[in-house]
Amino acid sequence: AQKVTQAQTEISVVEKEDVTLDCVYETRDTTYYLFWYKQPPSGELVFLIRRNSFDEQNEISGRYSWNFQKSTSSFNFTITASQVVDSAVYFCALRRISNFGNEKLTFGTGTRLTIIP
Amino acid sequence: ETGVTQTPRHLVMGMTNKKSLKCEQHLGHNAMYWYKQSAKKPLELMFVYNFKEQTENNSVPSRFSPECPNSSHLFLHLHTLQPEDSALYLCASSQVTPAGANVLTFGAGSRLTVL
Repeated sequence: AQKVTQAQTEISVVEKEDVTLDCVYETRDTTYYLFWYKQPPSGELVFLIRRNSFDEQNEISGRYSWNFQKSTSSFNFTITASQVVDSAVYFCALRRISNFGNEKLTFGTGTRLTIIP
Repeated sequence: ETGVTQTPRHLVMGMTNKKSLKCEQHLGHNAMYWYKQSAKKPLELMFVYNFKEQTENNSVPSRFSPECPNSSHLFLHLHTLQPEDSALYLCASSQVTPAGANVLTFGAGSRLTVL
């Protein structure tokens, strides 16, 4: 069975501070994808990143960075110099890789991030 | 119109009503999904359609009835719902390829309140 744990239910930080959202996953698969989605107040989940389990390189995109540690089954997300527009619920998700190509996504319960002006 | 569009955005219904949620995707994707989002719970996958064929029904009660007339449209028909069915219902689509990343694109959701 697959499981994604986002232990931080809610986080509040003051604008311009850095913040890290934690994601820990469980899977028996040796190959899998990991995802982060952002859900702003408007409701739709917005795709942020996909990471293949073969690739443990960290990734940086502007103020966003992701730290994938296969040894600890973690895929943490850091926002540098946070802004009010970063306020949203963030979801981590896991999916196995198969030839079928349409395996189920397993989501965490999400972390509500509030950036205080 | 671009992306995934859901209507209505908000719906209030009584337990004896019949209503439908509509989803339309303009991305040329071949798979569509219904998810249920309740407070403090992970997103729950309800139904999956690949090329208009239902490939997953995640033990959803029969009071929820999906319909996928073509690869661009997906409906969720609702009847005799319970108050615990109140939630945000999210539609998503993706392009499914073998061993592919299959990134989902979500709509903004339909907020359902059952009285």
